[in-house]
Amino acid sequence: QVQLEESGGGVVQPGRSLRLSCVASGFPFSTYGMHWVRQAPGKGLEWVAFISFDGNNIYYADSVRGRFTISRDNSKDTLYLRMNSPRPDDTAVYFCAKPVASVLSSYFDDWGPGTLVTVSS
Amino acid sequence: DIVMTQSPDSLAVSLGERATVDCKSSQSLFNRSNDNNYLAWYQQKPGQPPKLLIYWASAREFGVPDRFSGSGSGTDFTLTISSLQAEDVATYYCQQYYSGSTWTFGQGTRVEIK
Repeated sequence: QVQLEESGGGVVQPGRSLRLSCVASGFPFSTYGMHWVRQAPGKGLEWVAFISFDGNNIYYADSVRGRFTISRDNSKDTLYLRMNSPRPDDTAVYFCAKPVASVLSSYFDDWGPGTLVTVSS
Repeated sequence: DIVMTQSPDSLAVSLGERATVDCKSSQSLFNRSNDNNYLAWYQQKPGQPPKLLIYWASAREFGVPDRFSGSGSGTDFTLTISSLQAEDVATYYCQQYYSGSTWTFGQGTRVEIK
């Protein structure tokens, strides 16, 4: 079955960088676009970024555009999120999520357990 | 960007009673070319990732109990739990996937037992 496992979270100082990873298994990763979604403590879900199956199409939420970079390595079945210049309001659990189909207008049918990022000095 | 607004923010319902959560989008989520509304519902329990319940506004995901149902079209949607069970205590989110370049969630509705 589909498995998504995030890693790389922890405490990071404002202005430093951090890279999150999401290792996928149980489905043909290289044929699916993938998403990052985050959830600040006690708050709701916020979509962060999307990358197409081949990396040629990328979209970001306004709140992270220019600071975060989504990427993937299909040879390793791994999705990444590079957080540059994080701010305290980037503190959240970060989930990777798989869409049900490899089309842009698709809902999410599988999620990882999430990794907590705390931005604090 | 499409804005999703849920109501209420929280509700308390007695066991066995009906719970209703509303979701309103800032623009229509209906696609005339395929007669589909691009609206999903998720359930999230504390410490867990969201779980897909409903897609295309009213299609129930495999394995989801039939007490969960979705309805609505265009800009107004509803999630109904026909007979609330203890295990349904959770926060529920609607999500639009119409845009194709942004994917927006409602702010969430917490459902509790009265």
